[in-house]
Amino acid sequence: SQQGEEDPQALSIQEGENATMNCSYKTSINNLQWYRQNSGRGLVHLILIRSNEREKHSGRLRVTLDTSKKSSSLLITASRAADTASYFCATAPGTDKLIFGTGTRLQVFP
Amino acid sequence: GAGVSQSPSNKVTEKGKDVELRCDPISGHTALYWYRQSLGQGLEFLIYFQGNSAPDKSGLPSDRFSAERTGGSVSTLTIQRTQQEDSAVYLCASSLGGYGNTIYFGEGSWLTVV
Repeated sequence: SQQGEEDPQALSIQEGENATMNCSYKTSINNLQWYRQNSGRGLVHLILIRSNEREKHSGRLRVTLDTSKKSSSLLITASRAADTASYFCATAPGTDKLIFGTGTRLQVFP
Repeated sequence: GAGVSQSPSNKVTEKGKDVELRCDPISGHTALYWYRQSLGQGLEFLIYFQGNSAPDKSGLPSDRFSAERTGGSVSTLTIQRTQQEDSAVYLCASSLGGYGNTIYFGEGSWLTVV
């Protein structure tokens, strides 16, 4: 079963633009993580935000969390062609077992 | 090893045959996950091992799927009597366990059932 759903399913932008992806989840969480996947293979961890945090930054990444709306957003600023990938949110609903969302496929055109 | 290692990286099998997929987690990681990802889709949770606790098998799609983890390290995912709908990438991941720990993925095993 899916705990999270990302929106949009696909996003195409030009280099230099910002990309925003949203994640909604169903149950209460301890933290929410974002991962990136290139070419349908292994995922790489990007950033973790705890349930008592509202915003977190890492380089060109900004993550927000609204626990009242059970939603999170990932913003990539000044996007580059190398940011082209699929992005997934993941939550641990009640246990430390991670459940992933459906993903957003980001295409950044040079 | 330095990362999570999975084998084989690619497997083509005939419908009805059994397959075994292997995962070698990062040394010292107590938590181990198996996920399945069909083409262009999200990650489907299959099974989760944490230390000596009973595994969480709630994601296994049918009784044709099973997994074991020997000695708290290497894990094998077995699919019996494979069907075409089993074709997918099977991803293994490991972590130190506990809330908030990053999980590290292997490169996956791409299974094609013909």
